[in-house]
Amino acid sequence: DTGVSQNPRHKITKRGQNVTFRCDPISEHNRLYWYRQTLGQGPEFLTYFQNEAQLEKSRLLSDRFSAERPKGSFSTLEIQRTEQGDSAMYLCASSLSITDTQYFGPGTRLTVL
Amino acid sequence: QKEVEQNSGPLSVPEGAIASLNCTYSDRGSQSFFWYRQYSGKSPELIMSIYSNGDKEDGRFTAQLNKASQYVSLLIRDSQPSDSATYLCAVSKGFKTIFGAGTRLFVKA
Repeated sequence: DTGVSQNPRHKITKRGQNVTFRCDPISEHNRLYWYRQTLGQGPEFLTYFQNEAQLEKSRLLSDRFSAERPKGSFSTLEIQRTEQGDSAMYLCASSLSITDTQYFGPGTRLTVL
Repeated sequence: QKEVEQNSGPLSVPEGAIASLNCTYSDRGSQSFFWYRQYSGKSPELIMSIYSNGDKEDGRFTAQLNKASQYVSLLIRDSQPSDSATYLCAVSKGFKTIFGAGTRLFVKA
């Protein structure tokens, strides 16, 4: 399978715990995006990487959220001190630099109890 | 005003009919326009991309773009029950992509 992969697919955690998600983009894609999607809404932009550089982070993100993309390959999204409002589907997408068509992974569904 | 607006629906059409989905956007500098389909519990999958004014056809799907009116549409011909899903309009400027909330489509057999 050469598509975007994400792990874990589901995560249930208690409020206050830290969680980390992983995204493996399509191998030749150097752009990587993280989105959050809640029920009845479209994906909401969180952050963007070009290679290993994080070029943009949504103002909607609190300091509890951090993302990395070491060596420009896979990416991780960490949420510290989770809150019930963080419950959502977290989507990763990747694209080539010469086109901005984004291909999405299957997502990680986070439930904060 | 939302940056990308779509009628939330649901839009219900009989099998074999044409489904028409519409989207408006607020940023005149937007450069790229996309339609994604999302089945319940799944991630979005790209149906069509369009970059210049006019129509673009791909099989049963036709995307239409009118930058002067800041309007994008998607026509689905010969609608099938398997087309029942939420259709997301997405608009990009540079790396930033803004999604609409989606229109739910039901195709009745």
